[in-house]
Formats: sequence, structure tokens, C-alpha cells
Amino acid sequence: DTEVTQTPKHLVMGMTNKKSLKCEQHMGHRAMYWYKQKAKKPPELMFVYSYEKLSINESVPSRFSPECPNSSLLNLHLHALQPEDSALYLCASSHPTGNYGYTFGSGTRLTVV
Amino acid sequence: EDQVTQSPEALRLQEGESSSLNCSYTVSGLRGLFWYRQDPGKGPEFLFTLYSAGEEKEKERLKATLTKKESFLHITAPKPEDSATYLCAVQPNTGNQFYFGTGTSLTVIP
Repeated sequence: DTEVTQTPKHLVMGMTNKKSLKCEQHMGHRAMYWYKQKAKKPPELMFVYSYEKLSINESVPSRFSPECPNSSLLNLHLHALQPEDSALYLCASSHPTGNYGYTFGSGTRLTVV
Repeated sequence: EDQVTQSPEALRLQEGESSSLNCSYTVSGLRGLFWYRQDPGKGPEFLFTLYSAGEEKEKERLKATLTKKESFLHITAPKPEDSATYLCAVQPNTGNQFYFGTGTSLTVIP
């Protein structure tokens, strides 16, 4: 299995809602990432998990809360988001060193209304 | 400071018209340079990894090359289905983070 699966593909949420994005991989990768991508911009790193532990938080607001329950799953919990948080949220996984590149999921298109 | 710059920002080609995309980088030490293709609303799709100057990789109509300061993605006789945004990412020797360039949006006209 060489895929990273993200659910849902699309999500519309109000500013008072709580929702979660899910990411799953079965490639044995021990590093997993959340990226945010706005239209016509490159992906921006949000969080890095290495061996299920948070290793990098790129000063992301606390309304985004990551969770790595096990080596195959990565969640992103969303609460009290703002309209400017609307974006494509990408999950990726890799060898812990990042060597051989990242494998990306297809993303979740999030719209905050 | 680590930096990645891609040019041109956008490129329109006639079908069959070959061209090259550029990725210039400055890092303290390069572990790897990666090329990705991204279709609208989708995640980036891995194309190539290059590790050392002089290295070349090929896949169908695409060929990636690497020097000490830049990488080129050559597209030979492109087809409309090659239309996408091509992203370059650089991984420095320290850490496992990637630094993405802003991408080149390629449109191939039939």
C-alpha cells in the first residue's frame, strides 16, 4: 500500500463548530506531517510527528490541535476556526529522516463559513 | 537562510514545444531536492529525488537535473495532460523538513 488516505475530501464548517480531519498510511512511515495550502501558493508546514511524538509545531494557532494515536493515523482537530483558515489541508508521511521524499494524501478542502 | 525559488511562475506551451522549468536554491547543505506535480485540488504527486550535483533522473517526457545551485525540469514534447503545477522542494542536511518553492504553473495547449 503506497497511499496516504485523507478524510473527508471536503468539509464546510461554521466558526463555532468542532471537526476533525483524518489521515491514514500503511507504508510503515514513522514521520507524518500536516501542511496547509492556500490557492496558488506552496504547501506550508504546520506540524511534524516523528515516532508518534510531536517534533515540530510551526507556531500554529491553538485552534488547530494535532493528534497521532498510533504510527498509522494522524488527526487534526479543528475548533473555532476563522474564514481565513479555509484552505487545502494536506497530510504527508515519510521515512523518519525525510529521505526518499514525502508521500502526500489528496487533501481535505476546508471551507469555514 | 534556506530558500527555494522557482521560475517562471507560469508557462504556456504548445503541444510538442519542449521547455525547462528552473528551481534555484540556497541551503547550508543539501540532503535532497524533490520534484512534485500537483493537479488542482489534489495533493502533490512525487516525481523525482536528486541528491548530488550532476545527477539526472528521467520519467516519460520529464527529465530532472541538478547542479550545486539549481535544478531543471526539462519537458520534452509535452502533451495537454502534462498541464499542472510543478513544485520543487529542498531538504537541508539538518532536520527532516522540506522547503517548497512557489511552483510553476504549466499549461500545454493542444
